[in-house]
Amino acid sequence: EPEVTQTPSHQVTQMGQEVILRCVPISNHLYFYWYRQILGQKVEFLVSFYNNEISEKSEIFDDQFSVERPDGSNFTLKIRSTKLEDSAMYFCASSTPTVTEAFFGQGTRLTVV
Amino acid sequence: AQKVTQAQTEISVVEKEDVTLDCVYETRDTTYYLFWYKQPPSGELVFLIRRNSFDEQNEISGRYSWNFQKSTSSFNFTITASQVVDSAVYFCALSSGGYQKVTFGTGTKLQVIP
Repeated sequence: EPEVTQTPSHQVTQMGQEVILRCVPISNHLYFYWYRQILGQKVEFLVSFYNNEISEKSEIFDDQFSVERPDGSNFTLKIRSTKLEDSAMYFCASSTPTVTEAFFGQGTRLTVV
Repeated sequence: AQKVTQAQTEISVVEKEDVTLDCVYETRDTTYYLFWYKQPPSGELVFLIRRNSFDEQNEISGRYSWNFQKSTSSFNFTITASQVVDSAVYFCALSSGGYQKVTFGTGTKLQVIP
């Protein structure tokens, strides 16, 4: 069964460093998303991406965040200068052209020290 | 604006008891989708069910059942004869709108005690 794949599963980075989280969406999907879950809290929408541009973003998705689909298969989330409060689980998701359901990856746990 | 409310923060039940997790949602869209996800301690989101706004039939899958009531904007989830493996955080979620972003509730932590 096709699935969304995220790498790495866990990343530790020093405060102030840049980090790139990677996702391989399901191959025929056209809509891509990033969500964030701070430990013990709910899953929050960050950004949606369609046709090589951001279609919607939340207040959380400020200038330190960026997304890219560099090669037609990967979908990345870059955090330019990480802060302690960026420590969270980051979920990638993708959905079909009919956009009825988002399929979630297994998540990347980011720890900023 | 979309909103999902899961009023129950934590529930503890003894194994084999039935338990119902409540979910109330708000949306102005007439077409929307409702979901339940399970999040075990390992952290991944496990998809359990999707329901569209036009289908109010209740659904049963093994020990799991879901009660969708548009009149009360509720989408409750019942686990029958709970097992220790059911211990997890359960999220109710809603998606609607052009790009179908998903809005999650705050989750209900279920602990099943042997």
